[in-house]
Amino acid sequence: GAGVSQSPSNKVTEKGKDVELRCDPISGHTALYWYRQRLGQGLEFLIYFQGNSAPDKSGLPSDRFSAERTGESVSTLTIQRTQQEDSAVYLCASSPRLAGSTDTQYFGPGTRLTVL
Amino acid sequence: AQSVAQPEDQVNVAEGNPLTVKCTYSVSGNPYLFWYVQYPNRGLQFLLKYITGDNLVKGSYGFEAEFNKSQTSFHLKKPSALVSDSALYFCAVRVQNTGGFKTIFGAGTRLFVKA
Repeated sequence: GAGVSQSPSNKVTEKGKDVELRCDPISGHTALYWYRQRLGQGLEFLIYFQGNSAPDKSGLPSDRFSAERTGESVSTLTIQRTQQEDSAVYLCASSPRLAGSTDTQYFGPGTRLTVL
Repeated sequence: AQSVAQPEDQVNVAEGNPLTVKCTYSVSGNPYLFWYVQYPNRGLQFLLKYITGDNLVKGSYGFEAEFNKSQTSFHLKKPSALVSDSALYFCAVRVQNTGGFKTIFGAGTRLFVKA
């Protein structure tokens, strides 16, 4: 079946512009994560949606970052007034949240954001 | 605080030699532990996990990991490294949070296997 998809695959924007990144999780996966990965670095947790519960936003680096998810489907990560330091690959992952699930995550290919 | 640590930024090993990538954790309750791998120019993918049972877990590509409760470790191992194993490896642990649980990742360890 289809895996996690993300769009666009690449985004180049000018400093100060807003960007929207999209994630389509695997159908039926109720948990969805956003991460940021700077070049050659580890994963930085941003936000986590778990079904209908309030999202865990503890990783968002500033109020310029926000994310939404409609039900158990698509999620969008929005970065307002982008800065050069926002340049990174943004990864989305989804996980089934069945009873007894171990939370194994399935990652999308990422969106590479470059802020000029 | 619940956390996971990978003490080595980089591990270098010669092809054919055994490899170990270290991971330690701090969680409340029984841990669910994972290893993920990120090959160059490819996405992150699941490698193996420990939930319960046998402390030695076998995963993809000949990798295995040993859960050690007393040392709170979950080191990744392979008896004979291949050049193609060169990648970025992430250890992860499932932790409790408000409303359920979530997974946190270590900083990653870059493995270089030389021919």
